[in-house]
Amino acid sequence: EIVLTQSPDFQSVTPKEKVTITCRASQSIGSSLHWYQQKPGQSPKLLIKYASQPFSGVPSRFSGSGSGTDFTLTINSLEAEDGATYYCQQSSGVPATFGQGTKVEIK
Amino acid sequence: QLQLQESGPGLVKPSETLSLSCTVSGGSISSSTYYWGWIRQPPGKGPEWIGSIYYSGSTYYNPTLKSRVSVSVDTSKNQLSLKLSSVTAADTAVYYCATANYYFEYWGQGTLVTVSS
Repeated sequence: EIVLTQSPDFQSVTPKEKVTITCRASQSIGSSLHWYQQKPGQSPKLLIKYASQPFSGVPSRFSGSGSGTDFTLTINSLEAEDGATYYCQQSSGVPATFGQGTKVEIK
Repeated sequence: QLQLQESGPGLVKPSETLSLSCTVSGGSISSSTYYWGWIRQPPGKGPEWIGSIYYSGSTYYNPTLKSRVSVSVDTSKNQLSLKLSSVTAADTAVYYCATANYYFEYWGQGTLVTVSS
């Protein structure tokens, strides 16, 4: 099973700041890495597919990069509505697995 | 726009079988466009993929759950179903259905299932 480790676990950020979340895979997964945003009481929402492709309707301040084992989700100019938990997920191996999550709190 | 809605008992006794349904609207579950899957999320933890199915009936399961899981589709009802046998408290989670083509694009709102006597 491919293990995904996110860092940090928690981040407290001021609006308009830049946020960077990393996801490291236990083995190379190419670009088969996807990012989700989950707000309390809601289902996860797809943000980025295949490491860097924005999903339809996602604000341009969200971007992804990386390949192999190291990936990054960047939120440029954080907005108050971006307070949420962010998860990475890999589809290179079976089973599909998720990271443990990074909670972003708005100061 | 696809919409998915989970339904089923919110409380299941230990050792019994958890059974959930997912009704798909806005599209056909028989479409070749999507795989359909189940994901669960224990309280305070990250999501866990349970299994997926293609309209043809091909199924794919998480090896850690494979011996206890069954996923099926009912094309006449446009529904996806999940059965998880011999449940324990560790199976307490919010259960989601979703489209499952490598990434999970459309999700249901989720349903909390608690395993307790």
